[in-house]
Amino acid sequence: EIVMTQSPATLSVSPGERATLSCRASQNINNRLAWYQQRPGQAPRLLIYGASTRATGIPARFSGSGSGADFTLTITSLQSEDFAVYYCQQYNNWPFLTFGGGTKMEIK
Amino acid sequence: EVQLVESGGTLVQTGRSLRVSCTASGFPFGDYGVSWVRQAPGKGLEWVSFIRSKAYGGTTEYAASVKGRFTISRDDSKSAAYLQMDSLRIDDTAVYFCTRVRTVGGTPTIVDFWGQGTLVTVSS
Repeated sequence: EIVMTQSPATLSVSPGERATLSCRASQNINNRLAWYQQRPGQAPRLLIYGASTRATGIPARFSGSGSGADFTLTITSLQSEDFAVYYCQQYNNWPFLTFGGGTKMEIK
Repeated sequence: EVQLVESGGTLVQTGRSLRVSCTASGFPFGDYGVSWVRQAPGKGLEWVSFIRSKAYGGTTEYAASVKGRFTISRDDSKSAAYLQMDSLRIDDTAVYFCTRVRTVGGTPTIVDFWGQGTLVTVSS
């Protein structure tokens, strides 16, 4: 099983600032990495796939980077609706999808 | 608009069975794979099961934690997918999300849409 590790567990950021979230896989996942946003009481929403491709309708302030086993989600100019939990997920080892433990973005 | 709507979640006793359903709209359901992903209260996301489209045999996969107890199926004529859960345990308590899976040549890739989920609570 590929283990996904996210850091930090909680990130306190002020609106308008930039946030950087990290995700590390236990092995090379060939950029088959997705990021999801989950607001309280809602379903996860796909933000990024292929490590760096924004999903349809996702604002340009969200960007993904990285390769191999180390990945980053960057959110510039944080808006109020961006305070949520973010999960990374590998899909290199189908069908055994695995998710990171999540990073909770909270208002500073 | 792509929509996935789950139903059937409820309170059930340990050892009993339950079937949850997912009804899809807004896209050619039969062309996509379907996965169930669950989230225990206050916890992260856990993949549960996957079914391929009929074009790729409609074959199924399961997480080790549910293999032998859960069965995924689909009825493309109804744009629906199901998760039959038998021998339920306390640790199966979770919100169960139905998700759409893109496939490339039969190989599943991205989970791109999620339903709102249905809560299954298993109690002794």
